Amino acid sequence: EADIYQTPRYLVIGTGKKITLECSQTMGHDKMYWYQQDPGMELHLIHYSYGVNSTEKGDLSSESTVSRIRTEHFPLTLESARPSHTSQYLCASSENRGGEQYFGPGTRLTVT
Amino acid sequence: AQKITQTQPGMFVQEKEAVTLDCTYDTSENNYYLFWYKQPPSRQMILVIRQEAYKQQNATENRFSVNFQKAAKSFSLKISDSQLGDTAMYFCAFMKHKVSNYQLIWGAGTKLIIKP
Repeated sequence: EADIYQTPRYLVIGTGKKITLECSQTMGHDKMYWYQQDPGMELHLIHYSYGVNSTEKGDLSSESTVSRIRTEHFPLTLESARPSHTSQYLCASSENRGGEQYFGPGTRLTVT
Repeated sequence: AQKITQTQPGMFVQEKEAVTLDCTYDTSENNYYLFWYKQPPSRQMILVIRQEAYKQQNATENRFSVNFQKAAKSFSLKISDSQLGDTAMYFCAFMKHKVSNYQLIWGAGTKLIIKP
């Protein structure tokens, strides 16, 4: 199992609430990623980070924001959750070019 | 832009049989990496196998092997002697060799179910 953790694993929340999805890795990887994945569907990159204080938006437009103040921590925040944000969010990290990405267990978010 | 195509949305295979999952890609790059990832039900995504485009030899990892056809831009995964634990979504992914952020381009996935 990879040393990358996500909390919470499941979250049901009402429209308009602010939420933060946590992601931490203990492997010292510089590169970290957030993906959005609907059940049984492909992954869409929404944010990535080269390292501390470096974040970029991915290919899929997202209303979420991220921060990278520490190497091991890459939280994702939704200021005002909407039903369209209902999905699974996967966090990943990588070290070497051509190497694998290590994934967390995911957070399954439902916005009612 | 790069694109990954997996044409098999779902497959059922009898335990101990072999199965091949298809993947084609579109790129103008000469050097790149290809991956197969596995996402078991309610478990973490993990890497199954990796191929570097400049290597002609097909990658193998125990019961998993690939058929990499660079000219045809094809990258299929063969699972031999399938086991119940192989039941999962399988994603084909692509990464350019010269990219600073190590971004992966993903296929839509194939849902593989191994029947006892």
